[in-house]
Amino acid sequence: AQSVAQPEDQVNVAEGNPLTVKCTYSVSGNPYLFWYVQYPNRGLQFLLKYITGDNLVKGSYGFEAEFNKSQTSFHLKKPSALVSDSALYFCAVRDMIGPQDSNYQLIWGAGTKLIIKP
Amino acid sequence: ETGVTQTPRHLVMGMTNKKSLKCEQHLGHNAMYWYKQSAKKPLELMFVYSLEERVENNSVPSRFSPECPNSSHLFLHLHTLQPEDSALYLCASSQGVTLGDEQFFGPGTRLTVL
Repeated sequence: AQSVAQPEDQVNVAEGNPLTVKCTYSVSGNPYLFWYVQYPNRGLQFLLKYITGDNLVKGSYGFEAEFNKSQTSFHLKKPSALVSDSALYFCAVRDMIGPQDSNYQLIWGAGTKLIIKP
Repeated sequence: ETGVTQTPRHLVMGMTNKKSLKCEQHLGHNAMYWYKQSAKKPLELMFVYSLEERVENNSVPSRFSPECPNSSHLFLHLHTLQPEDSALYLCASSQGVTLGDEQFFGPGTRLTVL
């Protein structure tokens, strides 16, 4: 079965500094990888996804993620952090539902709390 | 804002009560999901519906009963819940379940079981 791991419960970054939120995955076959963000008292919002192609994926709010096949990683990055980026970030990987290759679901990491300090 | 609404936003219920959570999506999607979110744990997928048919039930206790009357509406009926069922319940929708499309989430219902 597919899985993702987010090794850090919390990441603290000073405003204006670059940020990285880590995600590693374990899949059979080609991975479909996603990042979502959850602001306080809100549902999750899609940030970006990797399916194929360029290893650097650009997403919403200035975020990007780098797919690294050899390290089985899909880290989320931003060159300059904003206080408003403080939120909970989830990495996810696509997995099949049942034995047939027709329906899919997302397998989620436990989330990383990102705190940006002014 | 995401096109997925959930009501109520907060719910407190006793273990003997019966209540229902409602989700509505205005995106024209064909798939809808119920998730349970507990602190510091991965999202737990509870139910998946595609074109109003249940695709997946992840071994959810029978005290949770989903209903999908059409592709825009999804309900989660609750009865005789336990305190450990207290959590944020999220509804999501996607274009389909065949391509792993990105999912759009509602704001959630914060459920407290006393």
